[in-house]
Amino acid sequence: AQKVTQAQTEISVVEKEDVTLDCVYETRDTTYYLFWYKQPPSGELVFLIRRNSFDEQNEISGRYSWNFQKSTSSFNFTITASQVVDSAVYFCALSEDFYNNAGNMLTFGGGTRLMVKP
Amino acid sequence: SAVISQKPSRDICQRGTSLTIQCQVDSQVTMMFWYRQQPGQSLTLIATANQGSEATYESGFVIDKFPISRPNLTFSTLTVSNMSPEDSSIYLCSAGALYQETQYFGPGTRLLVL
Repeated sequence: AQKVTQAQTEISVVEKEDVTLDCVYETRDTTYYLFWYKQPPSGELVFLIRRNSFDEQNEISGRYSWNFQKSTSSFNFTITASQVVDSAVYFCALSEDFYNNAGNMLTFGGGTRLMVKP
Repeated sequence: SAVISQKPSRDICQRGTSLTIQCQVDSQVTMMFWYRQQPGQSLTLIATANQGSEATYESGFVIDKFPISRPNLTFSTLTVSNMSPEDSSIYLCSAGALYQETQYFGPGTRLLVL
């Protein structure tokens, strides 16, 4: 069975601080996808990134960066120089069944609520 | 990418009634799913909507309570039957396709049962 754990339920930072959201996963599969989604107060889920299990390269997109480490089964997300607009709930998710690609069902972590104060 | 719409966006319903939520995708997709997000909680998969056949339900969810239809590759409905206040949640439709980058989500339907 697959499982995603986000140990931080809530984080509060002051604007311009860097913040890292942790994600630890469990799966029996050797091939899988990992995702991060953002859910702002409006409620919609916004896709941020997908990473497959064969690609352990870290990724940077603007102020966002992701660190994938298979050895520790972690896929952490860092926001640099946080802004008030980053305030949202962030979900890490896992999809097994590599050959069905990212179109398969997702197992979500419990989410981390990030509050960025001005 | 796929654009997904849901109707209604929100509703307030009385205990014992049923509500049908519609999900429309702007392109043909392989997989469609229904998730529930209870207040302050994460997303839980209800079922996979299969075109032309019965949906595949996750543990804890049954067809009598959450009947699902998927008549074609771009449309699905979820009915929440005989509602109780515990059914108050956001219901989200999602879709994905083979070799696509990710699974996309609709804006959700916020349901409050009194």
